[in-house]
Amino acid sequence: GENVEQHPSTLSVQEGDSAVIKCTYSDSASNYFPWYKQELGKRPQLIIDIRSNVGEKKDQRIAVTLNKTAKHFSLHITETQPEDSAVYFCAAYGNNRLAFGKGNQVVVIP
Amino acid sequence: DAGVIQSPRHEVTEMGQEVTLRCKPISGHDYLFWYRQTMMRGLELLIYFNNNVPIDDSGMPEDRFSAKMPNASFSNLKIQPSEPRDSAVYFCASSLGFALEKLFFGSGTQLSVL
Repeated sequence: GENVEQHPSTLSVQEGDSAVIKCTYSDSASNYFPWYKQELGKRPQLIIDIRSNVGEKKDQRIAVTLNKTAKHFSLHITETQPEDSAVYFCAAYGNNRLAFGKGNQVVVIP
Repeated sequence: DAGVIQSPRHEVTEMGQEVTLRCKPISGHDYLFWYRQTMMRGLELLIYFNNNVPIDDSGMPEDRFSAKMPNASFSNLKIQPSEPRDSAVYFCASSLGFALEKLFFGSGTQLSVL
């Protein structure tokens, strides 16, 4: 089945700097890649997603890029703010299954 | 809509006891998912339903786990007998279509088996 890995597991950034989280996937047939944000003690919520026919998608301070050849996709957060501190999960849809990575803890230092 | 509703929010039980977790999906959503979250394994899909029918239960860890969806507005996940290693946060999620549509998660049930 699909295997999704996220790196790094923990990322600390100064407020105002950019954060980049990278995910790799194993199934070349995967065609949908969402990112979920989970704040401490709360439920995961979708923040952005990308489909395989697009290389990049942007929504205000967040963007996702997809490299299908290398089978990796990344989440970019610019001008980080304290409220960006959370666990971010990437996922990939392949073989009729949405597989999640284990999550990245992002800490924004004021 | 109030979103996906799960109960209870917290459950503390002793090893060997039966545990029942409940979920009410968003009205009109035809897919319902049960996930388990732990530090070690992240978010794991246990089972999902489409139009109340179980489609894939390959993620259910063992026979102690069972899930039902008797109607479009309710699902439960049972663990019998429970074990300490079952301690985790259990999330229910629903969507209007599978995978390529946004998953809406409930608030989760924090389960502690002593």
